[in-house]
Formats: sequence, structure tokens, C-alpha cells
Amino acid sequence: SAVISQKPSRDICQRGTSLTIQCQVDSQVTMMFWYRQQPGQSLTLIATANQGSEATYESGFVIDKFPISRPNLTFSTLTVSNMSPEDSSIYLCSVLQGADTQYFGPGTRLTVL
Amino acid sequence: QKEVEQNSGPLSVPEGAIASLNCTYSDRVSQSFFWYRQYSGKSPELIMSIYSNGDKEDGRFTAQLNKASQYVSLLIRDSQPSDSATYLCAVNLEDFNKFYFGSGTKLNVKP
Repeated sequence: SAVISQKPSRDICQRGTSLTIQCQVDSQVTMMFWYRQQPGQSLTLIATANQGSEATYESGFVIDKFPISRPNLTFSTLTVSNMSPEDSSIYLCSVLQGADTQYFGPGTRLTVL
Repeated sequence: QKEVEQNSGPLSVPEGAIASLNCTYSDRVSQSFFWYRQYSGKSPELIMSIYSNGDKEDGRFTAQLNKASQYVSLLIRDSQPSDSATYLCAVNLEDFNKFYFGSGTKLNVKP
């Protein structure tokens, strides 16, 4: 399976600021995803990061709030903009290997004060 | 709206027993089904995938799929305290490469 790393692993941020989360994979992958997991909840897909084009966002998530970059087949970033305490969550990137097998990075635990 | 439903638990079983985790899904076009294990504070890790009706065994784990009834289950034989975690069911719509996750079932295996 792919080896996925995320930076930072955790952060505490002030309201109104922005945080960029990086996701690095050790091999080229076609599809990368960004999820949010709030405490005690399941995974919610934020967007699919498309290489060379704009990300595809799920209902309830917008580019202005969660801009995503995917400059190549091994790297993506998610920015959480103008943060509020409601953005406190674990943010996970994942990759698709093979036809439909999904692997997750270790996650970024974000706390917004 | 694609829905994947799981009993949130907690499901408590004694060590050595069989743990049975269930998941139902609402979309008949779902083609691929997955079970993930998530330890507290960690990210989900893939345990098993299943694509065809019937049983699929991997060590102590058996996934069961019944597409007609739209359910998928995971059996864990000889449960160990280290199996204590939240188990997430996921279904995939291959045409769109979108995954839908259940809310997870918390399993406690008591020594």
C-alpha cells in the first residue's frame, strides 16, 4: 500500500487565520481525497483533488473556504481559511490505489480557539 | 442521498468470542464494499474489501455480502482486546469513485 504523510500532524490556531495541510504520497496516484472527521463522527468527504485542474467539492464545501492544490501525482494541499472553532476537526487525506482501494494518511488534528 | 448505516454500539464481546458487525446501504448501484478499523486517535486502516455476494475470509476476519438485501457484515473470530476499535463500513460507487462511510461501530473486547 502507499505510504502517506501529512504535515502538520496537529496544530492549534486562532480564529480568523488560515492553515495549509500538506499530503505527500510515496508513489504516483491518480486520485486523492480530503476528508474531515469531527470528534466521534464518521468521515465526511470535502473534495476530490484533481491533478492539473480544480478540485471537485462535495455539497456544503466551497473553494473559498477550503482551497485545494494538486500540482502533481504525489502531492496535495488543503487550506482551511478564515477558521472558526467549528473547523476544529481531524483532516485526512487519502489516495486511491488500484481500481477502488483507498488508503488514508495519518491525519491532521486541528484545534481552533 | 447515499446512506450507509451502522449501529454505533458499543458492542461488547468477551475475549475469544465472535464479534459480528453489520452495515446496511441504500444505493443499489454500490459495487464495492470495505471495512476499515480505526483506533482512537488514529486514521482508518483497511481490513477487507468484498465485491461479490457471499463470504470472504482473511485470517480471523470474514466479510459477508448480500446485495439483494443490501447489507454487508464483518465477523471477527477469536476476538482479542487489540481488536477494540471503531469499525467503519464504506461503499463505493465505481462510476464516480466516491466512497460513502457509515458512522462506525465501536467494538470493545473484554479480557
